[in-house]
Amino acid sequence: QQPVQSPQAVILREGEDAVINCSSSKALYSVHWYRQKHGEAPVFLMILLKGGEQKGHEKISASFNEKKQQSSLYLTASQLSYSGTYFCGTGSSYNTDKLIFGTGTRLQVFP
Amino acid sequence: DVKVTQSSRYLVKRTGEKVFLECVQDMDHENMFWYRQDPGLGLRLIYFSYDVKMKEKGDIPEGYSVSREKKERFSLILESASTNQTSMYLCASSFAHKTNEQFFGPGTRLTVL
Repeated sequence: QQPVQSPQAVILREGEDAVINCSSSKALYSVHWYRQKHGEAPVFLMILLKGGEQKGHEKISASFNEKKQQSSLYLTASQLSYSGTYFCGTGSSYNTDKLIFGTGTRLQVFP
Repeated sequence: DVKVTQSSRYLVKRTGEKVFLECVQDMDHENMFWYRQDPGLGLRLIYFSYDVKMKEKGDIPEGYSVSREKKERFSLILESASTNQTSMYLCASSFAHKTNEQFFGPGTRLTVL
């Protein structure tokens, strides 16, 4: 039931791009993206909603394909500060604010 | 700044003990959540509360209970701790409605011996 994230891990050099995917087996209403740095709490990045609305981070972009029940997070010109574990959280019901989080994608950016 | 605080960063308990994990938020959020984080398994929802005294089970509620007597405080209770409950526990809160971001606390690393 947890959404599947891919890849599980990514290693980049500064300035390179990465795409993290999140795929659900259920119809989605919303997809949330969070980043967790080592030893810290997860921090909100972005929300994508059914119908195309987005709220969130200015320097990170994402897409949401409602038909395929998938979302992708695009990290362009990566910086050292992008390192961490990225989680997608999916909301699939109109009647609850609960999210189901994926297993995470670990991103490491090196100089 | 929104603050979500958890009572302990590290906790060590013995098998069979009753364990209380406390979470407090200062932003008047309606929703509060308890997650468990384990390597390779991501964040799994244990319980969710959308109002005082109101709760919903998450994906892994077995072995846990919760209490929300005041809006700002949400407690996770392990009635009889077991070694398989050794984990990182994260509390989060948000305003009502699914489009609102969740704010997470720093986590409590619980070890059950």
